[in-house]
Amino acid sequence: QSALTQPASVSGSPGQSITISCTGTSSDVGTYNLVSWYQQHPGKAPKLMIYEVSKRPSGVSNRFSGSKSGNTASLTISGLQAEDEVDYYCCSYGGSRTRWVFGGGTKLTVL
Amino acid sequence: EVPLLESGGGLVQPGGSLRLSCAASGFTFTTYAMTWVRQAPGKGLEWVSTITDNHGPTYYADSVKGRFTISSDNSQSTLYLQMNSLRAEDTAVYYCAKEWEGSFDPWGQGTLVTVSS
Repeated sequence: QSALTQPASVSGSPGQSITISCTGTSSDVGTYNLVSWYQQHPGKAPKLMIYEVSKRPSGVSNRFSGSKSGNTASLTISGLQAEDEVDYYCCSYGGSRTRWVFGGGTKLTVL
Repeated sequence: EVPLLESGGGLVQPGGSLRLSCAASGFTFTTYAMTWVRQAPGKGLEWVSTITDNHGPTYYADSVKGRFTISSDNSQSTLYLQMNSLRAEDTAVYYCAKEWEGSFDPWGQGTLVTVSS
């Protein structure tokens, strides 16, 4: 049950776009379109931002978008704002045995 | 109304036991799989265990298999996690979450478990 691989940190300037990658294997990200992304503020519970690779829950800004190619999923945040400066985690379904696997998390810095 | 509310965390000695509870409200508890996810201090999220809808099959991370047991009481809309043989590395905030459309939403506020002598 190896974790998905995310960069430890990414940064961007206000108004710019950034992309966070999430690399798994053919047993999880590569096979299932059940990749989700979570935003987590310090000391708070994670919040769902993207589900099923690219779908946005009601209430989530359209500045957040998701995609997938092969074994790698990506979260793109456009029009960076200071309030986006928190941690982001990806998650993928891993099959009937593994069930779910998370990425190690990425800290976004808005310069 | 808070959809998911965890309780039961606290300080426990290595080798001890603890039972976490997660009270659900505002949705039909029996029709959703429910999951426990933990986060060690300063670390990332780790999937711990899932129980499928209506007392269905259960799943566990290798790190807790044989020590933790997930269960639910549908009459009380409550999810449980019985944790035995606790180790220092089990120290974490434990979140319960509802599985929805292949993701987790919502999440509870979390309950802290500290394993230390």
